[in-house]
Amino acid sequence: DAGITQSPRHKVTETGTPVTLRCHQTENHRYMYWYRQDPGHGLRLIHYSYGVKDTDKGEVSDGYSVSRSKTEDFLLTLESATSSQTSVYFCAISDSDRIVREQFFGPGTRLTVL
Amino acid sequence: TQLLEQSPQFLSIQEGENLTVYCNSSSVFSSLQWYRQEPGEGPVLLVTVVTGGEVKKLKRLTFQFGDARKDSSLHITAAQPGDTGLYLCAGGRTSYGKLTFGQGTILTVHP
Repeated sequence: DAGITQSPRHKVTETGTPVTLRCHQTENHRYMYWYRQDPGHGLRLIHYSYGVKDTDKGEVSDGYSVSRSKTEDFLLTLESATSSQTSVYFCAISDSDRIVREQFFGPGTRLTVL
Repeated sequence: TQLLEQSPQFLSIQEGENLTVYCNSSSVFSSLQWYRQEPGEGPVLLVTVVTGGEVKKLKRLTFQFGDARKDSSLHITAAQPGDTGLYLCAGGRTSYGKLTFGQGTILTVHP
């Protein structure tokens, strides 16, 4: 199994509070991705990183920011959490930008915003 | 935005039956991947297809990429309870390895 951990695994927070989710990898992979998973929507890309300090927006980036200060860590921040951001968040890593390469997923973080 | 429409959304069958899951788009993808996800875990890759018309087999699972690279199918022969899970198709875009996922098919195989 690829060495990917996500923390916390579960979090309940209140509307308007900031939240940071952490993705940590031990594979030294260059590419990292944050997705959210909601019923009926599959997985949707929030932000991705193609190197240290190199990040870009995905298809559902509003209300989210990311940072990657070192290869192994990719942080996702909800600046002011809203109920619409209640979801399961997955981090994924890849060693290549070639689209035939596998993305390895973490175990997910279940976030509830009350 | 390139969209992938996956059908059916839910599938409940008896052990031993065959089934097919479809993944369709109006756009061309450079590759198509199928993932399987179990409750409480992240998706795990089953297969990647890259050539139009390509067929790949993985034991009782057969994957096909459409000739025009706009659609794909997953066929399971003689389904078993262990096949139960969420199946996701994902189309590959050309930059930074980004994927577009379908909505997923929840498969339940009853003993």
